[in-house]
Amino acid sequence: EAGVTQFPSHSVIEKGQTVTLRCDPISGHDNLYWYRRVMGKEIKFLLHFVKESKQDESGMPNNRFLAERTGGTYSTLKVQPAELEDSGVYFCASSPAGLYTEAFFGQGTRLTVV
Amino acid sequence: QKEVEQDPGPLSVPEGAIVSLNCTYSNSAFQYFMWYRQYSRKGPELLMYTYSSGNKEDGRFTAQVDKSSKYISLFIRDSQPSDSATYLCAMNTNAGKSTFGDGTTLTVKP
Repeated sequence: EAGVTQFPSHSVIEKGQTVTLRCDPISGHDNLYWYRRVMGKEIKFLLHFVKESKQDESGMPNNRFLAERTGGTYSTLKVQPAELEDSGVYFCASSPAGLYTEAFFGQGTRLTVV
Repeated sequence: QKEVEQDPGPLSVPEGAIVSLNCTYSNSAFQYFMWYRQYSRKGPELLMYTYSSGNKEDGRFTAQVDKSSKYISLFIRDSQPSDSATYLCAMNTNAGKSTFGDGTTLTVKP
């Protein structure tokens, strides 16, 4: 069974440009999460989808970040325009429906804004 | 103040040693307590999770939760070089999202 897949694995963009990160969750997982780790800090929650609906987006830093989950399958996270402080590793995780179920993480996308 | 504080490390131990990794937390609403292992350039991988206070054992790994003290630990017995990684504690309320500690980097020397 395929795990959580993230594209690209690494992206280097200039300040002011747009970047779109993609996450393909494990098939059948209703829950999809985005997290981010900036250098020297802990992994922080960004948002949570249940199927195609945003359940919790309290961790989104500002309106330059836009997340979508098409048809409850894959998800994209767009940063527009990117700023230097957006650099970090963006993780996606998915889990089955239920009160607590194991979340499986992707390998992350390393974003560098120069 | 962070909701989850993790002993920073790094830790370096000889092969075969017992390792203790620790986190404290301040949010009484946390109900699920997880330990993840993360190898370099990889995503976190769940090692163990517990729901209640007490101990949970899985092979060489033991997770311990003390809700009264808001303290969790992960013990690794007979540590191996392959255990060298960053260990992350994480906690959930019922809401699904996880709150992570900063991580502790462990090196087990042969």
